[in-house]
Amino acid sequence: SQQGEEDPQALSIQEGENATMNCSYKTSINNLQWYRQNSGRGLVHLILIRSNEREKHSGRLRVTLDTSKKSSSLLITASRAADTASYFCATDRTMEYGNKLVFGAGTILRVKS
Amino acid sequence: NAGVTQTPKFQVLKTGQSMTLQCAQDMNHEYMSWYRQDPGMGLRLIHYSVGAGITDQGEVPNGYNVSRSTTEDFPLRLLSAAPSQTSVYFCASSYETGTGLYRELFFGEGSRLTVL
Repeated sequence: SQQGEEDPQALSIQEGENATMNCSYKTSINNLQWYRQNSGRGLVHLILIRSNEREKHSGRLRVTLDTSKKSSSLLITASRAADTASYFCATDRTMEYGNKLVFGAGTILRVKS
Repeated sequence: NAGVTQTPKFQVLKTGQSMTLQCAQDMNHEYMSWYRQDPGMGLRLIHYSVGAGITDQGEVPNGYNVSRSTTEDFPLRLLSAAPSQTSVYFCASSYETGTGLYRELFFGEGSRLTVL
């Protein structure tokens, strides 16, 4: 089963609007990461937030983490058509041989110009 | 900067055939992994490795084998391809921070496999 689950599954907004995507997970984590995937391409890392952090910013991206609710959100401000992509959260969990990242199913974001 | 290189980009197999998806990284990363991506399922971890000679299973390992004889290479072998293995496969690598935790994954561009 997926560790991270994003919602909504799909989001369509106008250019200039803000986009918010949410991620929920089930077990304790070391950190949570967000990735972006353009159509037909590999995933690209956006931002990492540690389990002891509550908020992190990177350019137009703002990520929050609430470990008590086991949830995170990704906010993209002043969206652009070029932000159209799929966005995935990934949780870093400790396993027998080390850590591994488990991904959610993703949110498809479409920004209309 | 090559990063993570996957070959082939596209492959069509018949049921029962075997093949190897190649993955190489030039960043001296200890951690390497294979994911498959299916519509509506996100990425699911197949196998991963935390260093040469060390591999472990992920969420969906059945039908796949891996080995890690060098730091650079992490091939994924399909022993007897089945239509259920039709998917896009991604290889990814990462570096260890010195505290036992890994940072961001660097992904290849993917290998699209169709099994008829």
